[in-house]
Amino acid sequence: EVQLVESGGGSVQPGRSLRLSCAASGISIDKYTMHWVRQAPGKGLQWVAGISWISANIGYAESVRGRFTISRDNAKNSLYLQMNSLRIEDTALYFCATYRPENSFGYGWFDPWGLGTLVTVSS
Amino acid sequence: QSALTQPRSVSGSPGQSVTISCTGSSSDVGDSDYVSWYQHRPGKAPKLMIYDVGRRPSGVPDRFSASKSGNTASLTISGLQAEDEADYYCCSYAGNNLYVFGTGTKVTVL
Repeated sequence: EVQLVESGGGSVQPGRSLRLSCAASGISIDKYTMHWVRQAPGKGLQWVAGISWISANIGYAESVRGRFTISRDNAKNSLYLQMNSLRIEDTALYFCATYRPENSFGYGWFDPWGLGTLVTVSS
Repeated sequence: QSALTQPRSVSGSPGQSVTISCTGSSSDVGDSDYVSWYQHRPGKAPKLMIYDVGRRPSGVPDRFSASKSGNTASLTISGLQAEDEADYYCCSYAGNNLYVFGTGTKVTVL
């Protein structure tokens, strides 16, 4: 069974940093684009960032570009999101998701997803 | 990149059909054969319901169907069941390494 488990969330003050991790099991992520998607309290899903299987293609939502950095370590079967200069509006549940089919960026779908890790930015 | 537009909520009685629209632009939905739909219940991981505009993953009931016309994609749930009550989101690639989700629709089974 494929499982994605996010970690690293917590409560931080505005302007501080946080690093999220996503550990995959039951799948070798080295063939897949991986993404971070977030859901702010009471809001809908918002795509945050995506990184292709060998990191050749990387994209960021405009709201996080320049502050967040997505990366991956295929040897550790893990995905990361470095979040700097955090803002109150970054408060959300952050999901990681696998993008299928293999070796695709832009012509596929998100499956499966993790349960998310909660990030709260508050003074 | 603006979110794709979905109705905030739709409702129906058990056995009825409901349709959720997802309106984007010629840069995303209108230019993509890869629109997907997700079901999301509180506290759960989002679940893929439809991929490639109208294809159903194994395990998803055939009462879920979807299509696309121009800049608008649609998800139809036929024979609505209590277990279908959830939030539903569409998603499309928007070019330039960007992706966009819909605003989300709450489906209520009366």
